Parts: sequence; C-alpha cells; structure tokens
Amino acid sequence: QVQLGESGGGVVQPGGSLRLSCAASGFTFNLYAMHWVRQAPGKGLEWVTLISYDGSDKYYADSVKGRFTISRDNSKNTLFLQMNSLRPDDTAVYYCASSLMSSTWKYYFDNWGQGTLVTVSS
Amino acid sequence: EIVMTQSPATLSVSPGERATLSCRASQSVANNLAWYQQKPGQAPRLLIYGASTRATGIPARFSGSGSGTEFTLSISSLQSEDFAIYYCQQYNKWPPLTFGGGTKVAIK
Repeated sequence: QVQLGESGGGVVQPGGSLRLSCAASGFTFNLYAMHWVRQAPGKGLEWVTLISYDGSDKYYADSVKGRFTISRDNSKNTLFLQMNSLRPDDTAVYYCASSLMSSTWKYYFDNWGQGTLVTVSS
Repeated sequence: EIVMTQSPATLSVSPGERATLSCRASQSVANNLAWYQQKPGQAPRLLIYGASTRATGIPARFSGSGSGTEFTLSISSLQSEDFAIYYCQQYNKWPPLTFGGGTKVAIK
C-alpha cells in the first residue's frame, strides 16, 4: 500500500526559508518520478515541481523557479522541497504526489500525501 | 502553457441525479487528461486518467469522455459521498502540468 507523508510545514516570515520532506513507502521509490503540488487556502491545485526517478531531471513552475529546489534521497525513500525567499503568495498546503502508473513523460498523480501547511506571514 | 477551463464553477444536483462536468483545454491535449476528486480537508484522489480510464477502486458511476480540447466527467447517479470538488489536469505538454479551476458539486 502506497503511503506518502509530508512534514516540515509551519509559519515563516517573508524572505525566509523552509524545507519540506515527504517519506514514501509501499513502492520502489527509486523507480518513479515524484512531484510537489500546492493549494492556496480556498483555491485550486497548482503543480510546483517534478523530479525524475534518479534525480537527474528537475522541472519547476515559473512561480517558484530560482527559489525552490526539489531533491530526493533514494536510499531513504524521501523527497524534499527546499523553499527559499518565501513570499506571502507561497502560503498553501503542499502535497507530495507520485506518478506510479504514468508512462514516461506523461505524468498524472496517482497517490497523494495528506499535505503540510506552509504559512508565509510577518 | 496549456490553460484548462472547467465549467460550471458550481453544479447543484439532487442525490440520485446525473452530473455532467466539463473541462476545456486551450490547445489539444490528445487523451492526456486526468480527473480528481477532493473533499474538504482531504488530499485529491485520482478518478480518471487517459480521459476515460477509471483508476483502481473508482465506482463505475464515474465515467470520462472526450479528446483533443473538450472533456466530460459524468457521475451517473450521485451518492452523498460524491459531493466534492472535481479538478481536471492535462499532462500532454509540460512544464507546467496544469489543472482546471475546479467544479464544486453541491447538494441541491
């Protein structure tokens, strides 16, 4: 049974940094691309970033490019999101999501974590 | 960037009735379209991928159709647990992977 569990959210001041983690289990983590998707309070879903199975390829939404960095530790089945220069409009629930069923380069999200709330406020 | 537009924003339906939700892409996405259901306080759940293939465990009352730029999610007979927000997502051309703004299915 696939399980994804995010941690690391909290309240941070504008301009600050935060590192999110996502612990994965129930599947062979090092074989699959992983994503972060966020949802601002009362708003829709926004894809944030994707990392390939081996970490060699990374893609970002324009809204976070240059500020956020995705990474993974396949030895620990863990996904990370380093968020720097945070802004109030980064306030959202951040979900990690997997693409276990997708064929290569055609990514939809078949499993989601419960999310972790990031609040950027002074 | 491919823009996904969902309509209506809110759909009021009585239990047992049929619901039809629409999703339009700003350019063709072939059949690379997924649908998700999200209930308050919960993560989204994958319902449909490939425009029409139900994900594991999804009841047969959910069906997806369409290709190119026009897509539909139908719920044949609404159950109480189906009242939620539904999102479409294209994965044909990216980055970015893009979602529609959502349709809330509310009790009439």
